[in-house]
Amino acid sequence: QQQVKQSPQSLIVQKGGISIINCAYENTAFDYFPWYQQFPGKGPALLIAIRPDVSEKKEGRFTISFNKSAKQFSLHIMDSQPGDSATYFCAATLGSSNTGKLIFGQGTTLQVKP
Amino acid sequence: NAGVMQNPRHLVRRRGQEARLRCSPMKGHSHVYWYRQLPEEGLKFMVYLQKENIIDESGMPKERFSAEFPKEGPSILRIQQVVRGDSAAYFCASSPGVVETQYFGPGTRLLVL
Repeated sequence: QQQVKQSPQSLIVQKGGISIINCAYENTAFDYFPWYQQFPGKGPALLIAIRPDVSEKKEGRFTISFNKSAKQFSLHIMDSQPGDSATYFCAATLGSSNTGKLIFGQGTTLQVKP
Repeated sequence: NAGVMQNPRHLVRRRGQEARLRCSPMKGHSHVYWYRQLPEEGLKFMVYLQKENIIDESGMPKERFSAEFPKEGPSILRIQQVVRGDSAAYFCASSPGVVETQYFGPGTRLLVL
């Protein structure tokens, strides 16, 4: 119930294309869903986050779509650029636990070809 | 405002030695989280601390691992008698409060020979 499942494991997209990464969760108590971007040798950096009271959040080229009934959320990267090549992690946190610990998906390695 | 600082960035230890990983949270942040990232895997929660208190250590192995966040100074993750399976990247994150954005440090890459 604490798991967050992420797919695909790897993704190759042409420059200018749309990258889509999906995550699914079981625990309906999760109430905060961030996406992190990680470059090789670096720590994860927060990209965008959403709470379950909204179905979509957009920041620049990055959009989170959230489907509460299906317990799924996804990251869309529009007009993908080579600089977007990185590993992306979805995560969820359990507000009721009062600890804020993040449960991460397994990660998706994105390669954007020029 | 400096970000989360971790040192050392790389640490090599032989089996049986001790590893000490340090984390200085962002200014004004009193909540510290440690995560471990094994090769080709996602990050796994280890422990959550506030100043001088361990709040949640449910992800920490029961033996050889300990963490502290003293009133003064950085948070320390200590691994005693390291084994090869401890080789991983260890990330610290800090936040100003619970269920607030967590900001990650650059990590310490531990290699056990």
